[in-house]
Amino acid sequence: GAGVSQSPSNKVTEKGKDVELRCDPISGHTALYWYRQSLGQGLEFLIYFQGNSAPDKSGLPSDRFSAERTGGSVSTLTIQRTQQEDSAVYLCASSMSGGQGYTFGSGTRLTVV
Amino acid sequence: GQQLNQSPQSMFIQEGEDVSMNCTSSSIFNTWLWYKQDPGEGPVLLIALYKAGELTSNGRLTAQFGITRKDSFLNISASIPSDVGIYFCAGQTGAGNNRKLIWGLGTSLAVNP
Repeated sequence: GAGVSQSPSNKVTEKGKDVELRCDPISGHTALYWYRQSLGQGLEFLIYFQGNSAPDKSGLPSDRFSAERTGGSVSTLTIQRTQQEDSAVYLCASSMSGGQGYTFGSGTRLTVV
Repeated sequence: GQQLNQSPQSMFIQEGEDVSMNCTSSSIFNTWLWYKQDPGEGPVLLIALYKAGELTSNGRLTAQFGITRKDSFLNISASIPSDVGIYFCAGQTGAGNNRKLIWGLGTSLAVNP
């Protein structure tokens, strides 16, 4: 597609369950980023992919969070044993390698109840 | 870690007024980016600045890359209701796989018609 696609757009899950969030970047974009945005807050960096490898995963908040990218395209962010503090909007962005500026998806709003 | 101070945190103005917001840091950046986020959407790139002292316009928007490389401002002239949203600045360090964006916490803009 023309833009960054994220699914689902909304997810409500029970505390303790695992969730998977998906990001389809713009075709040809080698760099992919995951961010978390809590209500009324700025963007919190989680992880960066260049191709299928993750040179920077320093922002993952705990070992409950993991991400992978396959085929240099789709990425999945997995949160295990979700907690209420995980509730936030999870944003994915992609860019050309060395490109300036990212294109963001519309995000997945995760609510843990 | 690196921090960006973005101000003001929020603004409430009358339609037709000009708006100014800025970001400062103790760190030097090689690129400054300004994004706008509408409710329920991901941030969208407005202006990218690549050189110290650079002044760039995009319609009613004007942004400058500070000469010290530690600050940037964004001006919006003759505001209209659709300018409502959250504006984020981001400063970039590094290059290639070491490229990293540091984000401000955002300026929330409300426009009274």
